[in-house]
Amino acid sequence: RKEVEQDPGPFNVPEGATVAFNCTYSNSASQSFFWYRQDCRKEPKLLMSVYSSGNEDGRFTAQLNRASQYISLLIRDSKLSDSATYLCVVPPTRIYNQGGKLIFGQGTELSVKP
Amino acid sequence: DAGVIQSPRHEVTEMGQEVTLRCKPISGHDYLFWYRQTMMRGLELLIYFNNNVPIDDSGMPEDRFSAKMPNASFSTLKIQPSEPRDSAVYFCASSLSSGGAYNEQFFGPGTRLTVL
Repeated sequence: RKEVEQDPGPFNVPEGATVAFNCTYSNSASQSFFWYRQDCRKEPKLLMSVYSSGNEDGRFTAQLNRASQYISLLIRDSKLSDSATYLCVVPPTRIYNQGGKLIFGQGTELSVKP
Repeated sequence: DAGVIQSPRHEVTEMGQEVTLRCKPISGHDYLFWYRQTMMRGLELLIYFNNNVPIDDSGMPEDRFSAKMPNASFSTLKIQPSEPRDSAVYFCASSLSSGGAYNEQFFGPGTRLTVL
């Protein structure tokens, strides 16, 4: 099993729609998870951190399901500016602390249309 | 803070030439990461340093790739000789350790490398 797997994209949605991405991870001991956003031809940037059951920031909600080992990102009332690639990020599958190393998923592309 | 600085932003070279990519991490950060991103393989970690010491270079493709971090404010990634399959965007990122927790990685703008 890959350390992190994401929904294949692209997701094409109209403005105002609600869209959700899922991401599964293999390290059952992971305590920290992240969603990064990457705009076209730009660098990835942190969108949200998830340390417990979930996190909410405005229109964005990240949820964690430890039993099933997946995390999700929900975007409500989507805007044209939400168009980007969303990367699911998890710690590596090792027992010992790898000191900051993170594993990035392949990313899910979102395109919000007018 | 200026953020992570990378140079050059774009590099076009011919197969067989040496390429050197440069990175200046955010001041005070003790982790530095080099990534490569392509459409086919996504974002791949090549190597990372902690306090200027290479910790994990298992992602370095082959001996043609080498990375150094001579001090806390500078790192290089060198490809010699370069090949067309090395064409990609190379990102440098840095982060601050915090008692074993995983902290946000701050990425530079990347170097877009094209090897002809």
